[in-house]
Amino acid sequence: KNEVEQSPQNLTAQEGEFITINCSYSVGISALHWLQQHPGGGIVSLFMLSSGKKKHGRLIATINIQEKHSSLHITASHPRDSAVYICPNQFYFGTGTSLTVIP
Amino acid sequence: EAQVTQNPRYLITVTGKKLTVTCSQNMNHEYMSWYRQDPGLGLRQIYYSMNVEVTDKGDVPEGYKVSRKEKRNFPLILESPSPNQTSLYFCASSWTGGNQPQHFGDGTRLSIL
Repeated sequence: KNEVEQSPQNLTAQEGEFITINCSYSVGISALHWLQQHPGGGIVSLFMLSSGKKKHGRLIATINIQEKHSSLHITASHPRDSAVYICPNQFYFGTGTSLTVIP
Repeated sequence: EAQVTQNPRYLITVTGKKLTVTCSQNMNHEYMSWYRQDPGLGLRQIYYSMNVEVTDKGDVPEGYKVSRKEKRNFPLILESPSPNQTSLYFCASSWTGGNQPQHFGDGTRLSIL
């Protein structure tokens, strides 16, 4: 079954902390997508990556295709980073990781 | 501006009254998809379309219909809505299916009484 496992499911952090969210897959992947869903519901695409690492501002995503694993890192976290982060494997989304950053 | 537009954003209606949620994209994307999002279940795919006149069932197609007569539009039709279809719905598009970034609409919150 094409499933995604994210950890942690819920995360609360203090402002300024370094945050890591992990994704593991049960089937092979060739690329992966990280999405961000804010409390208002809108979904934004953060990254699409098929190898190595990508960086956008304070966000860094890494992927290891062989190990079927990806991580999303947030440096110097801020309350506006509070959202649900989702790493769908093609079209299976899972429930994501709910992040709350406290001022 | 590249976007996926859904209408309406909010709708409260009654059981059995046919409704259509429209979705339009201006990026000339071939792939379009509908998802529903329910608490504790994440996003689940309802239907998708790889191109004009090509549609396929996703994970939860029961009670829904779609059509893809033109590339830009992909309406979601509830012929006889029921309360279990109360949900938050998202339309998305991408260049092709599979490993392409998807662009999402702002969502449509449906309440079926």
